[in-house]
Amino acid sequence: QSVVTQSPSASGTPGQRVSISCSGSTFNIGENSVNWYQLFPGAAPRLVIYKNDQRPSGVPDRFSGSKSGTSASLAIFGLQSEDEADYYCASWDDRLHGWIFGSGTKLTVL
Amino acid sequence: QVTLRESGPALVKSTQTLTLTCTFSGFSLGTYGMRVSWIRQSPGKALEWLAHIDWDDDEFYRSSLKTRLTISKDTSKNRVVLEMTNMDPVDTGRYYCVRVRDMAGTWIFDHWGQGAWVTVSS
Repeated sequence: QSVVTQSPSASGTPGQRVSISCSGSTFNIGENSVNWYQLFPGAAPRLVIYKNDQRPSGVPDRFSGSKSGTSASLAIFGLQSEDEADYYCASWDDRLHGWIFGSGTKLTVL
Repeated sequence: QVTLRESGPALVKSTQTLTLTCTFSGFSLGTYGMRVSWIRQSPGKALEWLAHIDWDDDEFYRSSLKTRLTISKDTSKNRVVLEMTNMDPVDTGRYYCVRVRDMAGTWIFDHWGQGAWVTVSS
């Protein structure tokens, strides 16, 4: 059972906005930055958001991140079929003294 | 260009020790602020951080697996090795070697290897 929880699935049609949530505690998200990773089957994971709301170079501006208290969210605007993937949030946990990933969300583009 | 490649046995038996090697290029683990982590994903489960080693030899381990894990590095050969003892079928999964670096004051997993699949037989 993950310390940080995400809804198992999310979906949307092309062009829509979809949001993925990540809920933690004061030991992790409440005190530390959140990064988001995108996973395609058979491919290496890719960083899409770091430090809560920053986009690495090369990531479309359709991806947006936010954090409030012990929760964080990843929003994808103008959904595209190529966005269909698994998404994980990650944060450092001060109690566990290690990195923790969320439980993961499978995004389906209908 | 940063690349990381995992190597090791695809199949191990229960109770055996798994040894995985990460060979990387494009950066030096002797450089201030660099880290290399191991992260795994078992079938149907979430990503799970296992350990990391810093440029200055500091080691950090997942608390629940601390007694089973050892991470080490050979800076001159650009290698990081992970050993996991007493393997169990639940440890079956893909093991990733990942570069970690500081970006604007936060640590990020910015480059990942393709991962090495490990099956543990009972």
